[in-house]
Amino acid sequence: GQNIDQPTEMTATEGAIVQINCTYQTSGFNGLFWYQQHAGEAPTFLSYNVLDGLEEKGRFSSFLSRSKGYSYLLLKELQMKDSASYLCAVLDSNYQLIWGAGTKLIIKP
Amino acid sequence: GAVVSQHPSRVICKSGTSVKIECRSLDFQATTMFWYRQFPKQSLMLMATSNEGSKATYEQGVEKDKFLINHASLTLSTLTVTSAHPEDSSFYICSANTGRDSYNEQFFGPGTRLTVL
Repeated sequence: GQNIDQPTEMTATEGAIVQINCTYQTSGFNGLFWYQQHAGEAPTFLSYNVLDGLEEKGRFSSFLSRSKGYSYLLLKELQMKDSASYLCAVLDSNYQLIWGAGTKLIIKP
Repeated sequence: GAVVSQHPSRVICKSGTSVKIECRSLDFQATTMFWYRQFPKQSLMLMATSNEGSKATYEQGVEKDKFLINHASLTLSTLTVTSAHPEDSSFYICSANTGRDSYNEQFFGPGTRLTVL
């Protein structure tokens, strides 16, 4: 079966750095997405990785290792507004998005 | 960027009634639109995929006669929840992709919160 694993909840301090991990087992791979979702709102796109390595975009970076079936989202200089759920999703061989359950990130002052 | 709208944003209805939710791509033509359902504290669950002018493809376990999807144009898809019941109360989100990008990024609508009394 297809499976995406990410931690249910994480807590971090304002101004710090946090890394949210995602491991996946899917039928085929056509890329991995990270989305941010605030409570009661729809997801918003953060990043897309299809090749191994680190993609940096401002305070957010995303890393992919296809051989390990592993990705992480790195958030730097955390702000209170970063409190949200972070969803990992993999595009499988049928170009269908397989979603993780999301990681709820709590930022404390 | 690509913008997707949904209407209504919230709806409360009585059990047994039908509810229609509209999803529009405002500044692009959507090759494919997706309908998701999200229960509290859970991830998105894909309900169906629809391509303009053809029948929607429903995921296993989703009743196609209960959740009617019409993708009449490249900018509009509708989801009708027929004979809604309290267990249908959920957050319904549509998304669309342009088909232009190699990775087919999905652009999400703001969601519709359905409460069935």
